[in-house]
Amino acid sequence: SAVISQKPSRDICQRGTSLTIQCQVDSQVTMMFWYRQQPGQSLTLIATANQGSEATYESGFVIDKFPISRPNLTFSTLTVSNMSPEDSSIYLCSVEYGSSPYEQYFGPGTRLTVT
Amino acid sequence: AQKITQTQPGMFVQEKEAVTLDCTYDTSDPSYGLFWYKQPSSGEMIFLIYQGSYDQQNATEGRYSLNFQKARKSANLVISASQLGDSAMYFCAMRERLGYGNKLVFGAGTILRVKS
Repeated sequence: SAVISQKPSRDICQRGTSLTIQCQVDSQVTMMFWYRQQPGQSLTLIATANQGSEATYESGFVIDKFPISRPNLTFSTLTVSNMSPEDSSIYLCSVEYGSSPYEQYFGPGTRLTVT
Repeated sequence: AQKITQTQPGMFVQEKEAVTLDCTYDTSDPSYGLFWYKQPSSGEMIFLIYQGSYDQQNATEGRYSLNFQKARKSANLVISASQLGDSAMYFCAMRERLGYGNKLVFGAGTILRVKS
């Protein structure tokens, strides 16, 4: 399996500020994903990030609000911009790993609270 | 669009007994994958088991097995010999193929509580 780490593990931020979340994988992977889990809810895909190309965003998510970087095959960042209390969620990084059919693993998550 | 349904918001099971968590799905894609994840209160998503649509046998991983009934479009998770540490939220998910990759579509989840 792939080992994924995220930083920070949790943060409390003021509205109007931005937070960048880092995701590091111990193996090279093609596909990295960012998910959001709002309180008491299930997970929703924010965007898919492939190395060397722009991230692809799901309906309801835009690059200006959630810019993503993918500089290499083991690292990605997600920024939550101009935060509001509605952005309070767990943000999870995920990767496809192995050979087809790929297993999908998640990082430990970043628990964000916006006040 | 694909859809995952978990009809049990919460379940209780006695320690050492088996429990089945229900999951039904809807897709028109003949090739798909089904996942189960465990999410303890810490928030991490722990991969439990995977079933491919073309797999002939039901997937098993230790105390976890997947009761895959393709015609009924169900993929229920069976946990045998429940332990107190099994208390968590459990999510069923389906891999949806996109033009630029894949994504997981999640059900609403089932909270499992194991009683001693």
